[in-house]
Amino acid sequence: QSVLTQPPSVSAAPGQKVTISCSGSSSNIGNNYVSWYQQLPGAAPKLLIYDTNKRPSGIPDRFSGSKSGTSATLGIIGLQTGDEADYYCATWDNSLSVLRVFGGGTKLTVL
Amino acid sequence: QVQLVESGGGSVKSGGSLRLSCAVSGFTFSDYYMSWIRQAPGKGLEWVSHINNGGSNTYYADSVKGRFTISRDNAKNSLYLQMNSLRAEDTAVYYCARDDFRSGLFYAYWGQGTLVTVSS
Repeated sequence: QSVLTQPPSVSAAPGQKVTISCSGSSSNIGNNYVSWYQQLPGAAPKLLIYDTNKRPSGIPDRFSGSKSGTSATLGIIGLQTGDEADYYCATWDNSLSVLRVFGGGTKLTVL
Repeated sequence: QVQLVESGGGSVKSGGSLRLSCAVSGFTFSDYYMSWIRQAPGKGLEWVSHINNGGSNTYYADSVKGRFTISRDNAKNSLYLQMNSLRAEDTAVYYCARDDFRSGLFYAYWGQGTLVTVSS
């Protein structure tokens, strides 16, 4: 059971937009920055978003991040078949027993 | 360019031990905290452990505390994970990752992963 809750799957057609939610608590998302990762099948995770809403160089502006309260959201517009992957949110947790946390992951299917 | 290359994975019986290594290049290793993150087959990512840049402070997930030991050799640009008393639930791909901070923590660089399989 992950500390951060993501929907197991989302789907949309090519060219459309999708959002992936990541729900936490005041000890993690509520008081810390969020990062997002894309994992293609058989590959290591790749950083998509850091500091909640910043994109590393080379990540297209089709990807965006936001946060409200204890939830964060990854948005993808202009979906492409190559976006089909697993997506994970992550942040720091201020509680004593858990230091770094990931969401359970969301499988994006581009229909 | 930044590279992280894990090694040391393999198959081991329950109760056994393995030592993973992560060789890094392309950045000043001693400037960065480093982490181990694992992924069980068909499951999500799980933070396992991290270590500060000097190696004096280490942190562990409850699931591995007392069994795993993270360490580093800054002279050799290498990160390690000693895994003892292995259990079936430790079966996973283990990634090393560089800790990056701007306003918050993120992992910009990951290794390709090394598979650890624990059988009963």
